[in-house]
This record gives sequence, structure tokens and C-alpha cells, in this order.
Amino acid sequence: EPEVTQTPSHQVTQMGQEVILRCVPISNHLYFYWYRQILGQKVEFLVSFYNNEISEKSEIFDDQFSVERPDGSNFTLKIRSTKLEDSAMYFCASSEAPGQGNSPLHFGNGTRLTVT
Amino acid sequence: SQKIEQNSEALNIQEGKTATLTCNYTNYSPAYLQWYRQDPGRGPVFLLLIRENEKEKRKERLKVTFDTTLKQSLFHITASQPADSATYLCALDLHTGGFKTIFGAGTRLFVKA
Repeated sequence: EPEVTQTPSHQVTQMGQEVILRCVPISNHLYFYWYRQILGQKVEFLVSFYNNEISEKSEIFDDQFSVERPDGSNFTLKIRSTKLEDSAMYFCASSEAPGQGNSPLHFGNGTRLTVT
Repeated sequence: SQKIEQNSEALNIQEGKTATLTCNYTNYSPAYLQWYRQDPGRGPVFLLLIRENEKEKRKERLKVTFDTTLKQSLFHITASQPADSATYLCALDLHTGGFKTIFGAGTRLFVKA
């Protein structure tokens, strides 16, 4: 069964550094998402992306965050200047066609980001 | 703003019994609702989707109900097994111009052998 893959599985970075989290969505999916989950807390929506532009973003997704689909297979999340509070698990997800009631999200297994 | 509430207390049940988890939502009328399973350190995995015009949906030992009047969904696992131990998340799609699926905090289920 096709799956969403994320790399790296664990990223350690120093405060103020830039990080790029990478995802390869399922190949025939057209909608892409990033979520984060701080340890012990709920899965929080960051951003959705369709047709090479942001569809929706949350208040968390400020100017420090950006997303890109640099080629036909990768989907990336960049954090420009990391803060301690950015430490979390970041999940990428993809779906065929949201809004039609038959297109659930398929998640990767996440990148654990630790900011020191 | 839209809110999803799930019982934050863990649910402990004996193997073979039926587990029932609750999801309540406010300030929204979703066209459908989804349930996911999440194991520690892993991404959520889709289980079931139920539409507003469906009262009940089943898949193997899983059953979901959807009451749009009460703004509530119930998720049942019958003949529960220790392997069912996980966190179960309720999710809604919000269509406020773009695409956004929000999740409840989840209910942790422990099934004892």
C-alpha cells in the first residue's frame, strides 16, 4: 500500500537555525498538509497546500514557516529561525480530494524536531 | 471558533468488552466526521468516515454513530483486544475557503488481557 514518507525521522538543531523537513506524499494525491504535535498534546493543523499554493493556514503558521513543492514528488516545511517552542513532532499528510467526503488524510510517521 | 471535545481521561477496559469513545463538537455543522487511530510515536491512521446523512457506519469490529442534533459521534470497538490499545482521534473538515481538518485531543484506550 502506498505511504507518505518523511525524512529525517529525528532532527536536532540549535535555536535560531533554519530547518527543512521533507515529505514525499502518495503519488496520486493532490492535497498536502503539515501538522505538528507537541509531546503529550493534540495534533495541530499548520497548513494545507494545493495547486502550488497555500489553501489554508493556522495562527501557528507565521512568517517563520514556509512550504514548498520543489518538484513533482517532494513537499517541504521550512522553519527559518527555530525557537525552543518549535520542538515537536511534525507530521506530513496527503489526500486525494478533501471536501468530497471520501478522501481521508494519509499521514507519515513524522519528524521529531528538537531545538536546543 | 470550532471546537472538538473528546474525553481526556484514559479508558480502561477488559479484553472482550465493548469500548465506547465520545466526540462532541461545537460551533459547526460538518458534512462528515472521521475517526483515526494513533499509536505512540506514529502518525494518525484513518479508520472510518461517517456522513451527516448516515446514522451509523460499520467496519469489522468498529462502529461509528453520528448525531447531528446532539453534535456528537460515538465510536465503538466490539470484542476489544489488547492490540486495540491506542489513542483514538476524532476529526472534522472545515471548509472556510480552504481545506483544513482539525483533530480532537483524542482518548487513550487501554485493553487489558
